[in-house]
Amino acid sequence: AQSVTQPDARVTVSEGASLQLRCKYSSSVTPYLFWYVQYPRQGLQLLLKYYSGDPVVQGVNGFEAEFSKSNSSFHLRKASVHWSDSAVYFCAVNNNAGAKLTFGGGTRLTVRP
Amino acid sequence: DMKVTQMPRYLIKRMGENVLLECGQDMSHETMYWYRQDPGLGLQLIYISYDVDSNSEGDIPKGYRVSRKKREHFSLILDSAKTNQTSVYFCASSLRGNSDYTFGSGTRLLVI
Repeated sequence: AQSVTQPDARVTVSEGASLQLRCKYSSSVTPYLFWYVQYPRQGLQLLLKYYSGDPVVQGVNGFEAEFSKSNSSFHLRKASVHWSDSAVYFCAVNNNAGAKLTFGGGTRLTVRP
Repeated sequence: DMKVTQMPRYLIKRMGENVLLECGQDMSHETMYWYRQDPGLGLQLIYISYDVDSNSEGDIPKGYRVSRKKREHFSLILDSAKTNQTSVYFCASSLRGNSDYTFGSGTRLLVI
């Protein structure tokens, strides 16, 4: 079985500040890992994904994430946030047993101007 | 234009009524999904369809059924809707065995 935990339901940061959104996963094998973003009244959009190799993966709009097998984590980072980054961010995991993704509960990010 | 289209965007139904949510995709993706999204719970998988007439239950299938008669179209049916089925429903699609999903914009269902 696979599961994902996003321990922070809400995060508020000031524009220009750095950001880290936390994601912990549970899987019997090294999984595929994803971050999705959801803007208001829209569907989810893929930010980045990790399949294998370099544990730091780059995504769109300056986002990156780092896979840590020892910590079972896949935290999302951005060096300097913009007000337009305000959205809900979802971490997701696939344990390679098909296409099924399991999502975390999401983190609502608010960027103060 | 590669997209997943969901209809309707908003829907209000009375308890006990039947509900039909429609989803279409133009990418010839074999696999399609229905999720529901509730605050704090993230997205929960209702059903997966691996291709035409090849459907499997997800994590929360109770109270729902699906239909996939064409590869590009996947329907979610609620027979006799309940108030606890008030939610936002998302459809997604992907190539077979691939976890790169394309999501629709969602259907907001209110059951009163």
